[in-house]
Amino acid sequence: QVQLQESGPGLVKPSETLSLTCTVSGASISGLYWSWIRQPPGKGLEWIGNVYYSGGTNYNPSLKGRVTISVDMSKNQFSLNLSSVTAADTAFYYCARVVVGSYCYAMDVWGQGTSVTVSS
Amino acid sequence: DIQVTQSPSSLSASIGDTVTITCRASQTVNRYLHWYQQKPGKAPHLLIYTASSLQSGVPSRFSGSGFTTEFTLTISSLQPEDFATYYCQQTYIHPHTFGQGTKLEIK
Repeated sequence: QVQLQESGPGLVKPSETLSLTCTVSGASISGLYWSWIRQPPGKGLEWIGNVYYSGGTNYNPSLKGRVTISVDMSKNQFSLNLSSVTAADTAFYYCARVVVGSYCYAMDVWGQGTSVTVSS
Repeated sequence: DIQVTQSPSSLSASIGDTVTITCRASQTVNRYLHWYQQKPGKAPHLLIYTASSLQSGVPSRFSGSGFTTEFTLTISSLQPEDFATYYCQQTYIHPHTFGQGTKLEIK
């Protein structure tokens, strides 16, 4: 079955760039959209953005141009970079598969999530 | 951005009860509205997509309805494993916003 696994540093210093990777197994990254979502401690879900396998992206304007999502088809991975981080970016970060067609961009497979703390 | 408002924000119910959670969008989202369940320490998972379609493997006691701006998630005959937090999400227009969540607790 399809599985997603997030990886990356659990601790990032303020003003630096948060970088996470999502490795997809059991399916090809080709032909689909892929998304990043985050959840601050004790709070709700926030959609960060998505990427099409060919590289097209959509981002949440609330992140004010700090976010970049990219795809590496050779590794069957997609990645999140969030620059100039502050404590407000401390959260659990999830990657997910986005299904179009009759699913209308619902996210049907999620990674287990990874905790990122922004602190000096 | 489309604002998505869930109500109530929390809800207490007993095993066997039927509960309804509402999600309202600030403008039409057609049927591009989905429901997710999240248990503590776990990733969310998809319950209902496009307002009323049951995701594979999800028990039939979960049902969804609605169109344009008002949607409901109904859970019939609550089971112990249903006590969790529920989120709706619109995917009609970017950014794909979530509701603030509804925490369902055991009474």
